[in-house]
Amino acid sequence: KNQVEQSPQSLIILEGKNCTLQCNYTVSPFSNLRWYKQDTGRGPVSLTIMTFSENTKSNGRYTATLDADTKQSSLHITASQLSDSASYICVVSAGYSGGGADGLTFGKGTHLIIQP
Amino acid sequence: EAQVTQNPRYLITVTGKKLTVTCSQNMNHEYMSWYRQDPGLGLRQIYYSMNVEVTDKGDVPEGYKVSRKEKRNFPLILESPSPNQTSLYFCASSPYIGEVYEQYFGPGTRLTVT
Repeated sequence: KNQVEQSPQSLIILEGKNCTLQCNYTVSPFSNLRWYKQDTGRGPVSLTIMTFSENTKSNGRYTATLDADTKQSSLHITASQLSDSASYICVVSAGYSGGGADGLTFGKGTHLIIQP
Repeated sequence: EAQVTQNPRYLITVTGKKLTVTCSQNMNHEYMSWYRQDPGLGLRQIYYSMNVEVTDKGDVPEGYKVSRKEKRNFPLILESPSPNQTSLYFCASSPYIGEVYEQYFGPGTRLTVT
């Protein structure tokens, strides 16, 4: 069964500090991996999408890495801001469309709190 | 502005009273989907539609219905809501089903069934 595990479940850091969130997956065949940011009570917003051939992708202060061999990804946030407080969801897409829904497997998210 | 809209944003209802949550997108996307989000469980797909008149079940379709009569609209119907359908619901759309596609989520509908 396809699975996406995220760690930690929750994290509290001080404003200005860096942090790294982890995502391990067992999805086959692999197509791409996405990181979403979800503010409380709002819809997820895409941060990055990485395919098999990409091992790093940045979006401002957010940098995602992907190791397709070990099936691990990380999201690094640099110089955190209060507005970074949110849940971060890792989503892995299987290499097919249709059957089994859209082939997306969602992690349960990491809840990040930035303290002033 | 490109967006996915949902209505209502908040709804409190009673068991058994039929309701519809509307979803509309203005990006001419073929693919639309409904998810529910519950604490500790993450996002789970209810139904999806790959185009007009084409719908299929996701992971948790029991107790829900959908229709796709127009490309822009994808309503979620609860014929006889029950308390276990209390949840936060999201509609999403994307331009095509392929290797890599951007998925856009609506703002969410918080449903409480008493």
